[in-house]
Amino acid sequence: DTAVSQTPKYLVTQMGNDKSIKCEQNLGHDTMYWYKQDSKKFLKIMFSYNNKELIINETVPNRFSPKSPDKAHLNLHINSLELGDSAVYFCASSQETGLAGRWETQYFGPGTRLLVL
Amino acid sequence: QKEVEQNSGPLSVPEGAIASLNCTYSDRGSQSFFWYRQYSGKSPELIMFIYSNGDKEDGRFTAQLNKASQYVSLLIRDSQPSDSATYLCAVMDSNYQLIWGAGTKLIIKP
Repeated sequence: DTAVSQTPKYLVTQMGNDKSIKCEQNLGHDTMYWYKQDSKKFLKIMFSYNNKELIINETVPNRFSPKSPDKAHLNLHINSLELGDSAVYFCASSQETGLAGRWETQYFGPGTRLLVL
Repeated sequence: QKEVEQNSGPLSVPEGAIASLNCTYSDRGSQSFFWYRQYSGKSPELIMFIYSNGDKEDGRFTAQLNKASQYVSLLIRDSQPSDSATYLCAVMDSNYQLIWGAGTKLIIKP
């Protein structure tokens, strides 16, 4: 009964390809996120969705596009992959934003390790 | 730009000693403060959150918050080798966005 799951776990691909990473949460949370963690281990938020609406969109290239078919899923599509896209991508979810304490706690998926050759 | 600063380490602590991890933040209106632990090759997992000034204890872990000094810390008592990991500080700012520090790598020496 994994709370936040991601597929695939590993993704090795060539430059220029298009790929997708899937994320699902069974916690009943309202908000889902995508993070990129580079080789220096710094977590950078890319997107978040609340009730199917984009509420954060950091300055990431438009080659990256989040898609949320329903509240439990937030997929990440990446077009024309580049070498610099190699990183670990984490999906996360939280109950909601804007309230202090446990409601804002984010729960992370296991990560997808993307390597672009 | 709102920032969360952590010493990248590594911080080396003998087994059984107290490990002290520190974090400062720039947004004085920040609401909530979180400590996550990340083992190598794994995803971040929540250790504690705190949103009131003072100390909050949970087992061997104590979070300390000082909003006047814009400072939050995590103390780990009786450090164990299994505590060796990277510890990430995250701060919910006044716009309800979670800002992450770069993490401190902690090594507990047996």
